[in-house]
Amino acid sequence: SQQGEEDPQALSIQEGENATMNCSYKTSINNLQWYRQNSGRGLVHLILIRSNEREKHSGRLRVTLDTSKKSSSLLITASRAADTASYFCATAPVWGNNRLAFGKGNQVVVIP
Amino acid sequence: DARVTQTPRHKVTEMGQEVTMRCQPILGHNTVFWYRQTMMQGLELLAYFRNRAPLDDSGMPKDRFSAEMPDATLATLKIQPSEPRDSAVYFCASGLTGPKETQYFGPGTRLLVL
Repeated sequence: SQQGEEDPQALSIQEGENATMNCSYKTSINNLQWYRQNSGRGLVHLILIRSNEREKHSGRLRVTLDTSKKSSSLLITASRAADTASYFCATAPVWGNNRLAFGKGNQVVVIP
Repeated sequence: DARVTQTPRHKVTEMGQEVTMRCQPILGHNTVFWYRQTMMQGLELLAYFRNRAPLDDSGMPKDRFSAEMPDATLATLKIQPSEPRDSAVYFCASGLTGPKETQYFGPGTRLLVL
């Protein structure tokens, strides 16, 4: 079963604005990852944050992790039309299934 | 620029036919994953291998699906016989370390079973 749940499910913003997506999960995690999928393509890894980290940056991306609330957020600053994609969070549980659990994705449309 | 490759990229077949999808993982990666993506179910893990050994195929319908790694450079996913409900995009991904770490996805095989 998929554990990560992204919120909001769909987001439409103007180019230059910031986009924020949230992901909630249920069980203790080893790490949480964010992936991007452009239409008709495979998923591309964006960033990995470990359970002992609270914030991580990569270019225009900022990820936060709150293990007490079992949630993470992905912020894309100064969005571009090329950021239009689906964004997935994936959680790696500490125990049990030795796999990543992907959420259903969050569609982001950046209007030029 | 190392990447995962998959063939074919598109496949249209008739119900009952055998379908074989191939994947070449990134050289040196020791974990390989097969996923299926549909609008209704999202991304589902079908099977994964570590050092060519199948470790988990619990997500795969056993009666018609099979996954193998004949060697370190090739992973295959077969469906026999195929059914219309198998229509989906099938992704292969590989990883350098364990299954909980970063995965690198191929472009996918878009399968349509008529």
